[in-house]
Formats: sequence, structure tokens, C-alpha cells
Amino acid sequence: DAGVIQSPRHEVTEMGQEVTLRCKPISGHDYLFWYRQTMMRGLELLIYFNNNVPIDDSGMPEDRFSAKMPNASFSTLKIQPSEPRDSAVYFCASSPDPYEQYFGPGTRLTVT
Amino acid sequence: DAKTTQPTSMDCAEGRAANLPCNHSTISGNEYVYWYRQIHSQGPQYIIHGLKNNETNEMASLIITEDRKSSTLILPHATLRDTAVYYCIVRPPVAGGGADGLTFGKGTHLIIQP
Repeated sequence: DAGVIQSPRHEVTEMGQEVTLRCKPISGHDYLFWYRQTMMRGLELLIYFNNNVPIDDSGMPEDRFSAKMPNASFSTLKIQPSEPRDSAVYFCASSPDPYEQYFGPGTRLTVT
Repeated sequence: DAKTTQPTSMDCAEGRAANLPCNHSTISGNEYVYWYRQIHSQGPQYIIHGLKNNETNEMASLIITEDRKSSTLILPHATLRDTAVYYCIVRPPVAGGGADGLTFGKGTHLIIQP
């Protein structure tokens, strides 16, 4: 199994631009999670899906952030417009059960 | 979710057992103890979880005290590749048997010394 796949691995963009992060979960996993990690705030849950349906988006910072899961094998996290304070590592994780979450390698986003 | 307290950092010699403590004195009866780790520049990795009984898998052992107010993660023969931040997380089961997100604290930075 290839594990959770995220793309791109690195993204550098200018303030005001739209950024789209992508995630392919492990096949058969019903849950998909988006996390963000910064030095100041550590690892934070942004949103998670169950069977492609968003369950809890209370961690999404503001309306500039949106996430979709059009099918069981693909999810996107979009930031529009991006700001320097959005610079972070964004992790996607998937889970087949309540216990183990499998994390992807992350996307390092830098907004200048 | 119950609050957890972990030492900021620890050292351990390569080949020795690494014992990582976690205090969770406000844990509720139905809350599980989870351990994850994050190696530098990688995503977090699940290690083990338990409720009341001690647990062991191919990666580690989890020892939970009888009153459940603290636990210890044991890496029996630490290697340099075990250098990472280790997170102890306490969370209740989700109603209906589902999953929800993890709340990560600051964790313990374990450094394995050659």
C-alpha cells in the first residue's frame, strides 16, 4: 500500500494567490482528516470527513479555507486568498477505525 | 478530552529501553490513552493505544497504572531512528463507534544517543 499521498510536497506562493492542497487517502479508509502544524500552535485539526461527508469543520480558521471530498479517493484543501500567516505544514490523514490514523508526508506551504 | 502532561525532552542511550511517562490525572473511565510519534519532517505515526490493560505490539509496550492516572510508553531497544517527538493523547470513544480528530499537545522530544 502506498500510504496517504499528498501533493504538492512543497508550495511557495505569493500573498493573495489561491492555493490547493491535495490528498489521496488509503483505499478503504472511511475517515479523512486535515491537520495544520506550525511552531507556534503545534498540530491542529482543521476538518474531517466520514464517507466523504464533512463531520466537523470547527477547526477551519476562517472563510478563506475550504475543503472538499468529491469521492472516496480524493480530497482538497483550498485557501483563497492566501496570507503569510497560512504558512505551515498541512497534513492529511486517513483512518479505517476509531483508533489508528495514518498520516501523509505533509505539504509545506510558504506564503510570501 | 483529559489533559496530559509530558516531559519536554528526554535522552536515552541506543540499545537501552526508553521509558516515556505521561500524566493524565483527570482521565475519565471511558477514555483511551494513545501514543503517536513524529519523526523530523514526517507526519505523525500511530504507535499504540490502551484503555485499562497493558498493551504490547511490535513497536512498543504501554503500561497504564491501576488508577489510570498515568502511563508509560516503553521502547524496549531504542535505536537512532526512534529519535522523535512522542505524543500522549487521551480521548473518549466517539458515540456510535466512529472516529474523530486528535488533539496533540507538545509531546516529549526523545533523543537517542549513540
